Amino acid sequence: DADVTQTPRNRITKTGKRIMLECSQTKGHDRMYWYRQDPGLGLRLIYYSFDVKDINKGEISDGYSVSRQAQAKFSLSLESAIPNQTALYFCATSDSLLPETQYFGPGTRLLVL
Amino acid sequence: DAKTTQPNSMESNEEEPVHLPCNHSTISGTDYIHWYRQLPSQGPEYVIHGLTSNVNNRMASLAIAEDRKSSTLILHRATLRDAAVYYCILVGGTSYGKLTFGQGTILTVHP
Repeated sequence: DADVTQTPRNRITKTGKRIMLECSQTKGHDRMYWYRQDPGLGLRLIYYSFDVKDINKGEISDGYSVSRQAQAKFSLSLESAIPNQTALYFCATSDSLLPETQYFGPGTRLLVL
Repeated sequence: DAKTTQPNSMESNEEEPVHLPCNHSTISGTDYIHWYRQLPSQGPEYVIHGLTSNVNNRMASLAIAEDRKSSTLILHRATLRDAAVYYCILVGGTSYGKLTFGQGTILTVHP
């Protein structure tokens, strides 16, 4: 079984809809991250969490919110989706001892119409 | 943050060695050099990292220049499965685990 799972894997939604992307991990890591990837722009950090009570904004947090429901679960929400949020979203985890060694999920492909 | 420069693309033949370069002329003394790769339709995957000395693991080798202004990821025998985008990332002591991905190098491996 995969160590980092993301649901859904693909999602099509309409402008203005609220959508939640979920991430779960079985690695026992305390740190979790959300990135988005756009063609030609690499990956950009949206939010990151060092533990359940520590959540931080990343490079591009506007229009997004997150919830760390448990050590193993980190959800990303788009309160009112807009077309330029169409992208590939990745969740990642790492241990605090080696925070830069991150383990990524398979990604969620989101299309906002 | 210190930046890295990588070629947009490189090509190799299967079973031949591949040397992927990365320039980081503004690297600071506490910056680690990390390499990740992203296979088609997958999330990025950690490959290797180092500070000053050359490093080897089961996936690759990392050669770091003496002045640390450049580094090279070495795949000793490329396979078709190594076709991916390779990212060279500098990580400083205050990064708190935040990775900044650039454009990377698209590696094509020919049979």
